[in-house]
Amino acid sequence: DVKVTQSSRYLVKRTGEKVFLECVQDMDHENMFWYRQDPGLGLRLIYFSYDVKMKEKGDIPEGYSVSREKKERFSLILESASTNQTSMYLCASSRGDSGANVLTFGAGSRLTVL
Amino acid sequence: AQSVTQLDSQVPVFEEAPVELRCNYSSSVSVYLFWYVQYPNQGLQLLLKYLSGSTLVKGINGFEAEFNKSQTSFHLRKPSVHISDTAEYFCAVSVRGGATNKLIFGTGTLLAVQP
Repeated sequence: DVKVTQSSRYLVKRTGEKVFLECVQDMDHENMFWYRQDPGLGLRLIYFSYDVKMKEKGDIPEGYSVSREKKERFSLILESASTNQTSMYLCASSRGDSGANVLTFGAGSRLTVL
Repeated sequence: AQSVTQLDSQVPVFEEAPVELRCNYSSSVSVYLFWYVQYPNQGLQLLLKYLSGSTLVKGINGFEAEFNKSQTSFHLRKPSVHISDTAEYFCAVSVRGGATNKLIFGTGTLLAVQP
């Protein structure tokens, strides 16, 4: 009954590597989001997308980019990973453009950059 | 800009005791408010939401929250907690961001239920 799937639960990368985090949803949702979660800081929005090939910056987009070539898939890209990007990354999706819509989250991807 | 404040980073409580997790928001317009819960090693799931109407909202697992417009608060309560309620709880407000809506989260409150 998994609806939002993040391809990797745990990743370990080296500084300077290019990192791809993949997220797939099977609910035909228009909106997809990438958050990072850090202790004491809660969830902070990195990027979001409201349609295929459409993206908008969140609150902390620096050092990240995204790709949405298909409606069900939203990828987060770290062009050159740095140690301060060590974090838990959460993908989520929602339907339509109503503020009342609920986000469905994936289980998260814990990235460690050495 | 809309924001959410959760003043308590951690709330220890004994099993079967009541608990209140506090959340305050800042907004000059109508808001949609949410509480999400994150159990250990899992993603977030919806606990309850306030959209309009009755200010007392009931959610899953016996939790409820009260929307107070004058105090800009949306505190979460449970009359008797269980060990299984140990989790991190996030308050969130929906804001318009460009072409769609996005959720702004608070910093979270860790509820630690002790036997």
